Amino acid sequence: EAQVTQNPRYLITVTGKKLTVTCSQNMNHEYMSWYRQDPGLGLRQIYYSMNVEVTDKGDVPEGYKVSRKEKRNFPLILESPSPNQTSLYFCASRGTGTSGYTFGSGTRLTVV
Amino acid sequence: GEDVEQSLFLSVREGDSSVINCTYTDSSSTYLYWYKQEPGAGLQLLTYIFSNMDMKQDQRLTVLLNKKDKHLSLRIADTQTGDSAIYFCAETSLSGGSYIPTFGRGTSLIVHP
Repeated sequence: EAQVTQNPRYLITVTGKKLTVTCSQNMNHEYMSWYRQDPGLGLRQIYYSMNVEVTDKGDVPEGYKVSRKEKRNFPLILESPSPNQTSLYFCASRGTGTSGYTFGSGTRLTVV
Repeated sequence: GEDVEQSLFLSVREGDSSVINCTYTDSSSTYLYWYKQEPGAGLQLLTYIFSNMDMKQDQRLTVLLNKKDKHLSLRIADTQTGDSAIYFCAETSLSGGSYIPTFGRGTSLIVHP
């Protein structure tokens, strides 16, 4: 089944403790992206990647890092999480042409 | 940057038609999409329309595009309680060799009996 898999689904952590949210897609998509969703603010793009070793900042990149060493994986790294990074995070991928995004099921992160 | 605007809420009665509206600013938009997000889930692509089309119909869904006014709408016929969700409009335009999407804030559709 074609899908984007994120892990974990839920995570509660403490301020300053480094964490990684994994994202993997099995559709051989070139383009991958991370979004955060907050009430009243909709989806905001954090980082995106057009292909292996090619990443760029989205609208809200501060406090986040990404890497794209393999085509299928695009992890999101929070080196020193803070409470304002409490949010619902989505990974998404898309191929070429008219195809829209395929989204993961989301990761709900709480930083206390 | 480019902007996509949607109203935040829409309430309809079961069996009626729902119309969710979206406006965008990027005149170079090539593809426009509608996504549905059910509670606790990710976004699911519902339908899309290419910018040289005026209308697209897919079962109960009708997408209308007014390119002159940069206005996109999604009509859901015979709305059911299972249609209750958040609906996101998104536009994409070519930037730096890739299609970068911009999402609206989402419209919460509430369907009541």
